[in-house]
Amino acid sequence: TQLLEQSPQFLSIQEGENLTVYCNSSSVFSSLQWYRQEPGEGPVLLVTVVTGGEVKKLKRLTFQFGDARKDSSLHITAAQPGDTGLYLCAGDPGTASKLTFGTGTRLQVTL
Amino acid sequence: NAGVMQNPRHLVRRRGQEARLRCSPMKGHSHVYWYRQLPEEGLKFMVYLQKENIIDESGMPKERFSAEFPKEGPSILRIQQVVRGDSAAYFCASSPALAGLNTQYFGPGTRLTVL
Repeated sequence: TQLLEQSPQFLSIQEGENLTVYCNSSSVFSSLQWYRQEPGEGPVLLVTVVTGGEVKKLKRLTFQFGDARKDSSLHITAAQPGDTGLYLCAGDPGTASKLTFGTGTRLQVTL
Repeated sequence: NAGVMQNPRHLVRRRGQEARLRCSPMKGHSHVYWYRQLPEEGLKFMVYLQKENIIDESGMPKERFSAEFPKEGPSILRIQQVVRGDSAAYFCASSPALAGLNTQYFGPGTRLTVL
């Protein structure tokens, strides 16, 4: 069974601070997706990373896929209250089937 | 370009009743996935379907749960004789049939409450 561990589980920071969320596994994934989920809503896709070592930027968010395609990180620069939410990583084993979701990181950004 | 649609958004059932959850994938997507999210937990895969076929149901409970994706119409997740433990948010996701990439787009979910 493939498992994805995210850390930290909870993070409460002030506006303007930087933060990094980690997503780790002992398994290799064909691709990895990051989602943000707000209360009462479905996960919203942020990015898909495919190539080992790949770095993608989405405004203040930087996503990195590990060289061995077993881990990933999400870095947020100058966090804003609008970044508050549950961040989920999800790994695709490459069989066009189910995603394995991480345990989630709940981020709260306060003024 | 409408996203994944699910209805109802909220569903209340009494123990022993049936729950039917509907999912319309994004236009052009032929792969549908159902996931369940229990309170304060991550999403757990239930079933993967293509039109008229169940591809992977390894995450589905063996009893009371069934899913279909007919040639015409939405995908349906059916829970018979619901119990309190079935209370959860059920999410549907869809993806296009692109080889080598499995990006999934999620609907807003159906929140099932069993009284």
